[in-house]
Amino acid sequence: TQLLEQSPQFLSIQEGENLTVYCNSSSVFSSLQWYRQEPGEGPVLLVTVVTGGEVKKLKRLTFQFGDARKDSSLHITAAQPGDTGLYLCAGPDLYNTDKLIFGTGTRLQVFP
Amino acid sequence: DAMVIQNPRYQVTQFGKPVTLSCSQTLNHNVMYWYQQKSSQAPKLLFHYYDKDFNNEADTPDNFQSRRPNTSFCFLDIRSPGLGDAAMYLCATSRVRTRWSETQYFGPGTRLLVL
Repeated sequence: TQLLEQSPQFLSIQEGENLTVYCNSSSVFSSLQWYRQEPGEGPVLLVTVVTGGEVKKLKRLTFQFGDARKDSSLHITAAQPGDTGLYLCAGPDLYNTDKLIFGTGTRLQVFP
Repeated sequence: DAMVIQNPRYQVTQFGKPVTLSCSQTLNHNVMYWYQQKSSQAPKLLFHYYDKDFNNEADTPDNFQSRRPNTSFCFLDIRSPGLGDAAMYLCATSRVRTRWSETQYFGPGTRLLVL
């Protein structure tokens, strides 16, 4: 069974701080996605990384896919209250082509 | 511009009283998913349709059923809701199979409360 473990589980910081969220697995994934879910809403895709070692930037968010394609990280620079939400990594299930395996989630709270 | 629509946004039902949640999509996507999400947890896949092919997760209780009468609509039926079924129910779609790194587009969810 492929598992995606995220750390930390909860993160509470002040506006302007930097943070990193990790997504780790013992399995290789063909790609990994990051979603953000705001309270009371469905998850929204932020990025897909497909190549080992790939780095993608989305404004203040930097995503990295590990060289071995077993892990990924999300770094947020100068966090803002609008970044508050549940961050989920996800990757396709090797054994069930229609299915996404979601990570355990990281709940981020950014205080003004 | 809404792409995946879920109705209602909030649903209150009584213990044991059947309830139906609905999802519609304007994306003409082949795949539709139903997830259950409890507080601060990752979404848990209940089942999905690839076109008309229904795929049930092994650990989805028999109490949960689904119907997809056409490409645009999908329904989640909970035959006898228990207190443990109170959760957010998310509908999602993807154009083709997720293996190809397809994006899943989620609706806003229906929050179910069981009294």
